[in-house]
Amino acid sequence: GNSVTQMEGPVTLSEEAFLTINCTYTATGYPSLFWYVQYPGEGLQLLLKATKADDKGSNKGFEATYRKETTSFHLEKGSVQVSDSAVYFCALSDRDTGRRALTFGSGTRLQVQP
Amino acid sequence: NAGVTQTPKFQVLKTGQSMTLQCAQDMNHEYMSWYRQDPGMGLRLIHYSVGAGITDQGEVPNGYNVSRSTTEDFPLRLLSAAPSQTSVYFCASQSGGQGPYGYTFGSGTRLTVV
Repeated sequence: GNSVTQMEGPVTLSEEAFLTINCTYTATGYPSLFWYVQYPGEGLQLLLKATKADDKGSNKGFEATYRKETTSFHLEKGSVQVSDSAVYFCALSDRDTGRRALTFGSGTRLQVQP
Repeated sequence: NAGVTQTPKFQVLKTGQSMTLQCAQDMNHEYMSWYRQDPGMGLRLIHYSVGAGITDQGEVPNGYNVSRSTTEDFPLRLLSAAPSQTSVYFCASQSGGQGPYGYTFGSGTRLTVV
């Protein structure tokens, strides 16, 4: 079956620090990969996506590259802000099934201190 | 605003009680799904629907029922609440015409079973 593994948090950084959140996956087919963000008290919002190998998704200064050879999709940001404090979820969608379901990692909480 | 609306936002139930979590979307999306979010486990798929009149089980369906009589609504029923169902529940929808990345999530229902 499909699974997603994320680094455990919380990750605590100072403002303007470099961020990396690791994500690796296993999938039976050729998945699409996503990062979602959840701010306190809110639902999940799509942050970025990649649908094929070597694609780079980017949004709001965050980037992640689909690495098929290492089955990874690590999230990076060059300079984090306090407003980036949230929980980040890596997820995949297996296009070979008709379910369109997302398989999520356990989430990584990011805390950015001023 | 267009989107996915979940009600109620908070609910406390006694063991054995039943209730229905409501989910409605006004985007004419074909695909709708229910997830539960538990600490350290990410989001897990409970049930999903690919269109009105069609539902199927996800990863953790036991103790829950769904129906899809209209495109807009996808209620989740707890038949006899148990403490293990204490969780945050998210409803999501997606247009059938989009790729596997156009998910819109509701803001969640926090359920406590005592």
